[in-house]
Amino acid sequence: SQKIEQNSEALNIQEGKTATLTCNYTNYSPAYLQWYRQDPGRGPVFLLLIRENEKEKRKERLKVTFDTTLKQSLFHITASQPADSATYLCALDGGFKTIFGAGTRLFVKA
Amino acid sequence: GAGVSQSPRYKVAKRGQDVALRCDPISGHVSLFWYQQALGQGPEFLTYFQNEAQLDKSGLPSDRFFAERPEGSVSTLKIQRTQQEDSAVYLCASSLAATSTEAFFGQGTRLTVV
Repeated sequence: SQKIEQNSEALNIQEGKTATLTCNYTNYSPAYLQWYRQDPGRGPVFLLLIRENEKEKRKERLKVTFDTTLKQSLFHITASQPADSATYLCALDGGFKTIFGAGTRLFVKA
Repeated sequence: GAGVSQSPRYKVAKRGQDVALRCDPISGHVSLFWYQQALGQGPEFLTYFQNEAQLDKSGLPSDRFFAERPEGSVSTLKIQRTQQEDSAVYLCASSLAATSTEAFFGQGTRLTVV
């Protein structure tokens, strides 16, 4: 069955640095991959979508890469801020449904 | 409305009780999804509606779970004879297109079965 792996340990970084989160998947060839942000007690918020024929996509301080050979996506936040502290979810296209990873918790220290 | 609205925000049910969770999607959104999220985990797909048609219910964990969207807008997720393992956050999401991309999520209903 499809499996998504995200860093289960929290990522702690200093304000101003670049945060890099990893998403690996197996047993699947998704047409696209999405990243969502989730704050405690809130629903996920869509950030970026990258398609299988795209290597990289950017939006403001966010950058996503998608390597279909390695079956991996990297999510970067440049010039990180304490307000970026949240859980970031990787999500694969599952036809009608979206298959989510467990998420990686990011803490940005001032 | 401005976003996806779910009610109630919190629900405590005694084991064996029936519950109904409501979702008001963004007006005009074709697709509606229900997910279940356990603590520390990502959302797990339950079911999908395209307008009023339930096209995928493969994620519903048992026949105690039932969802409907009779007029293609508001949806209700019903859980009969609740059990402790049903305790979780239930998230509703909607999207404009008939796909699961760029979905807008509600804040969820936290269900606790005691």
